[in-house]
Amino acid sequence: AQSVTQPDIHITVSEGASLELRCNYSYGATPYLFWYVQSPGQGLQLLLKYFSGDTLVQGIKGFEAEFKRSQSSFNLRKPSVHWSDAAEYFCAASNDYKLSFGAGTTVTVRA
Amino acid sequence: KAGVTQTPRYLIKTRGQQVTLSCSPISGHRSVSWYQQTPGQGLQFLFEYFSETQRNKGNFPGRFSGRQFSNSRSEMNVSTLELGDSALYLCASRTGPQADTQYFGPGTRLTVL
Repeated sequence: AQSVTQPDIHITVSEGASLELRCNYSYGATPYLFWYVQSPGQGLQLLLKYFSGDTLVQGIKGFEAEFKRSQSSFNLRKPSVHWSDAAEYFCAASNDYKLSFGAGTTVTVRA
Repeated sequence: KAGVTQTPRYLIKTRGQQVTLSCSPISGHRSVSWYQQTPGQGLQFLFEYFSETQRNKGNFPGRFSGRQFSNSRSEMNVSTLELGDSALYLCASRTGPQADTQYFGPGTRLTVL
């Protein structure tokens, strides 16, 4: 079955420190891959997406993600976290009509 | 360009009632999908509409239904509400069924008492 896994439910990081969120997918063929962010009470905002080509993808708000086919992973990174990055982050995959989401990772930023 | 809009933003209903949620896609987007988000089940696909036709449906009971109008606006309806229907309902739009990226609205928070 197609699935997306985010192994970390909650991550706490200090402001200014680097952040990496993990995502693994299980699909027959490489799907389209996405990272979305959700602030409390809000909808999902697209951070970045990967379809093909360069395996390092740049997104908004200083985020980037690296696609690794051998590991079926699509990890999200940010070199220096700001307090405003505190939110829930969802990895998603699609190869047809719907998005399949991971369970999400909540990021807390401490001063 | 305005984003996806959803109305109302918040709703409180009681068990057994029905509810209708509305979604206006981004201008020029003709495909609208609905997702349910709950703490226990996460984000789950409900259905997708394109050209006023339901193209795909997720694994939800028949109490969940929807429709799309000629201007691409979409509504979803939940009849005979149950406590477990309390959730954030998210609408997403894209240019068409073959488009790769879906853009989400702010959601409607439904509380069933």
